[in-house]
Amino acid sequence: EVQLVQSGAELKKPGTTVKISCKVSGYTFTDHFIHWVQQAPGRGLEWMGLVDTEDGETIYAKKFQARVIMTADTSADTVYMELSSLRYEDTAVYYCARDRRASSSWSQRWFDPWGQGTLVTVSS
Amino acid sequence: QFVLTQPPSVSGAPGQRVTISCTGGRSNLGSGYDVYWYQQLPGTAPKLLIYSNTDRPSGVPDRFSGSKSGTSASLAINGLQAEDEADYYCQSYDSGLTGYVFGTGTKVTVL
Repeated sequence: EVQLVQSGAELKKPGTTVKISCKVSGYTFTDHFIHWVQQAPGRGLEWMGLVDTEDGETIYAKKFQARVIMTADTSADTVYMELSSLRYEDTAVYYCARDRRASSSWSQRWFDPWGQGTLVTVSS
Repeated sequence: QFVLTQPPSVSGAPGQRVTISCTGGRSNLGSGYDVYWYQQLPGTAPKLLIYSNTDRPSGVPDRFSGSKSGTSASLAINGLQAEDEADYYCQSYDSGLTGYVFGTGTKVTVL
C-alpha cells in the first residue's frame, strides 16, 4: 500500500523557519515527484511546488519561491519542505502528495495519494 | 492563487443528482489541459476522485463522473448519499503561472 506519512504539528514564532517531513512507502521513492500543497484555515488548496526525488530538482510556485526549500533524501525515502520567515498567514495545514502523470507533459499530472497533513501554527 | 472558479456550495436530497462546475480561462482549461477532481471529507486529506477529465481510480463509485468542454469542467454525483457530504476541488495546470492550480472549492451538503 502506498503511504505518505508526515511529521507532527508545529508551533512557530513569526520570523522563524519550519521544516516538515514526508516519508513514503509502498513504492520506489525515485519513481515519482512529490508535491507540497498549503491549506489555510477555512480556505482552499494552494500548490507550493514539487521536488524531483531522483535528482533533487525543484519547481516552486511564484508565491512561495523566495521562502521555500524542498529536498529529497533517497537514503530515507523522505522529502522535506522548509518554509522560512514565517508570518501569521502561513498558519495552515501542509500536505505532501505523490505525483502521478498520464504522459511526460507537465500539464497531465495529478496528486495521489496525499499525506495526512501537518498543521503549522504561527503565533507569538 | 485561485484561477479556477467553483460555486461555494451545492446541496441535494439523498438520491438526487448534483453537479459542480469548474470554470477556468485560456491559460488553463482553455488551453486543453486536463482537469482532476478531489474529495475532502471533514478533517481529512484530499482524495483523488477523477483524473484525466473523466477517469475514475479503482475504488471510486461510478456515481461520480467528470466532463470537460472548453474552459469549463463539471463533476456530477448521481444518487447522492450522506457520505458524499464533503468539499470538492478541481485542479489543472496553468501555463501563465507555470504551475498547478486548484479550484476555489465547493461544499456539498446532503439535505
